[in-house]
Amino acid sequence: GAVVSQHPSWVICKSGTSVKIECRSLDFQATTMFWYRQFPKQSLMLMATSNEGSKATYEQGVEKDKFLINHASLTLSTLTVTSAHPEDSSFYICSARTVSSDGYTFGSGTRLTVV
Amino acid sequence: AQKVTQAQTEISVVEKEDVTLDCVYETRDTTYYLFWYKQPPSGELVFLIRRNSFDEQNEISGRYSWNFQKSTSSFNFTITASQVVDSAVYFCALWASFSGAGSYQLTFGKGTKLSVIP
Repeated sequence: GAVVSQHPSWVICKSGTSVKIECRSLDFQATTMFWYRQFPKQSLMLMATSNEGSKATYEQGVEKDKFLINHASLTLSTLTVTSAHPEDSSFYICSARTVSSDGYTFGSGTRLTVV
Repeated sequence: AQKVTQAQTEISVVEKEDVTLDCVYETRDTTYYLFWYKQPPSGELVFLIRRNSFDEQNEISGRYSWNFQKSTSSFNFTITASQVVDSAVYFCALWASFSGAGSYQLTFGKGTKLSVIP
């Protein structure tokens, strides 16, 4: 079945540094990928929708200059958290739409801790 | 606008008990999909089921069953003879047009944390 590989699984970084999270579709082409953020004991909130070859669409309240999304190829989308601060600590998870029975495939998530 | 409500924040049951997780949704679309996902402590989302709005047949898969009722906008999930491995957070999600203008997205409920006690 369709697989989305997300790396890293977890990362700890210092405040003020940038962190890049990658999501790759391994056996299919993902023209659209979705990025979610999940705070502890909270639901998944859609941050942005990335389309291959074009600018991402950000949800209201999400700073596009802070959360840079690049979807340069049909198999790779990246989310860069720039100048990370402790309040950016969260679980980030990507998803791609697929034609399989479930309709969506999720990456395994990245737990970001900013110290 | 679309919305998913999972009123039960946390549920605890003793192993082998049956448990039902509630999900109520709101959408103006006539065509939409409903999902259930399981999120174990490791964090990954495990797909359980997808149901489209035109298929109201209830579904059973092993110990899992789902009851979709459009009349009450509910899509409830029942685990029969619960096991410790069922302990996780369960999310109900709705795929529909967010603004009625063709912009579709997957909206998640807040999740229900299920603890199955041995």
